[in-house]
Amino acid sequence: DAKTTQPPSMDCAEGRAANLPCNHSTISGNEYVYWYRQIHSQGPQYIIHGLKNNETNEMASLIITEDRKSSTLILPHATLRDTAVYYCIVRALSGTYKYIFGTGTRLKVLA
Amino acid sequence: GAVVSQHPSWVICKSGTSVKIECRSLDFQATTMFWYRQFPKQSLMLMATSNEGSKATYEQGVEKDKFLINHASLTLSTLTVTSAHPEDSSFYICSARDFPRPSGDATNEKLFFGSGTQLSVL
Repeated sequence: DAKTTQPPSMDCAEGRAANLPCNHSTISGNEYVYWYRQIHSQGPQYIIHGLKNNETNEMASLIITEDRKSSTLILPHATLRDTAVYYCIVRALSGTYKYIFGTGTRLKVLA
Repeated sequence: GAVVSQHPSWVICKSGTSVKIECRSLDFQATTMFWYRQFPKQSLMLMATSNEGSKATYEQGVEKDKFLINHASLTLSTLTVTSAHPEDSSFYICSARDFPRPSGDATNEKLFFGSGTQLSVL
């Protein structure tokens, strides 16, 4: 079963920052937080991942709370092409290596 | 990022026939690949984990004789839907685990996905 909870949908104005929350209150010490997104009828695309420190790459920033029970994915300047379903996944880097997807957040960027 | 090629992108078949879907990692070796299926407006559901050179591990409720998985090389895994029926119609997506080498540092591991196969069984 997925270990994450996300709001089912969000809207964001084009050019503004999109902040997508994820709750993972049962996360274990060896589990990473991964974010993927899926644009309609395509395979998911990797965005970013982290353990406990905040991470930033060319696509987004990941903010993980100090207790690691929640995180926020930030798209700094959302564009229409960022409209997608965003999935937050918690997984360990040992053991079965499974990536279990939850229900995700459907982000709609509005012009 | 790494590229995973999935083929075909869509297929229509008659009930009772078998359909094979290929998944290739183009620029990296993938010891582990995952197969998912997705119904409209739903999330991805993990079907099985495919390990190179060994039998696949199926998730609970997924029939291994119905969904045959072969992972004969480090760059190719196949999913065969045997004796397909209309209820097997779905979007099937493969993914490959890019495990950084030679460091073996799993902290930078990522999963890359194919573009998916839309299967329609008439």
